[in-house]
Amino acid sequence: AQSVTQLGSHVSVSEGALVLLRCNYSSSVPPYLFWYVQYPNQGLQLLLKYTTGATLVKGINGFEAEFKKSETSFHLTKPSAHMSDAAEYFCAVSLLFGNEKLTFGTGTRLTIIP
Amino acid sequence: DGGITQSPKYLFRKEGQNVTLSCEQNLNHDAMYWYRQDPGQGLRLIYYSQIVNDFQKGDIAEGYSVSREKKESFPLTVTSAQKNPTAFYLCATTPLGGVSNQPQHFGDGTRLSIL
Repeated sequence: AQSVTQLGSHVSVSEGALVLLRCNYSSSVPPYLFWYVQYPNQGLQLLLKYTTGATLVKGINGFEAEFKKSETSFHLTKPSAHMSDAAEYFCAVSLLFGNEKLTFGTGTRLTIIP
Repeated sequence: DGGITQSPKYLFRKEGQNVTLSCEQNLNHDAMYWYRQDPGQGLRLIYYSQIVNDFQKGDIAEGYSVSREKKESFPLTVTSAQKNPTAFYLCATTPLGGVSNQPQHFGDGTRLSIL
């Protein structure tokens, strides 16, 4: 079985500062990893995904994440925060040999300070 | 435009009443999913369907039922047996069933509340 831990249910950063949202996973087989963003009263939108190949993955809106197998991590970063980045972010994992079910973390709410 | 339509956006349920949430997609995707979202708990899988006329229970199926009679439709019924139905419900799809590396596409959700 797989699981996902997102450290920090709330993160606040100043506009223009680095955004770092943490995600650690647990699985006994190679994982597929995803980051989604959710704006209020909307569904989730895919930011980026890691399946195979390059461990540094670039996504939409200037976000990127690095898969680190040794640390079982997939942290999300953005060099310079913008007011429009304020939202809730979810990390999710599925398994190479699984049944395509996604397991989500509990989410991190990002607040941008003007 | 291709997409996933969930209706209604807001729904109110009386005690002892069954209610049905609609999810329709025109993406021609095979697999469809229902999630429940509660504050601080992330998304939890209720039911999923990889093909028409077939569906499987997720992690929290008790008090819910589904059908998949058409490829484009996957309605969720919240029965009176679900004692705490107040939540945000999200429908999602993937192009193929049983393939783990596909991202899921989400509708805009239905917020269900108890009167």
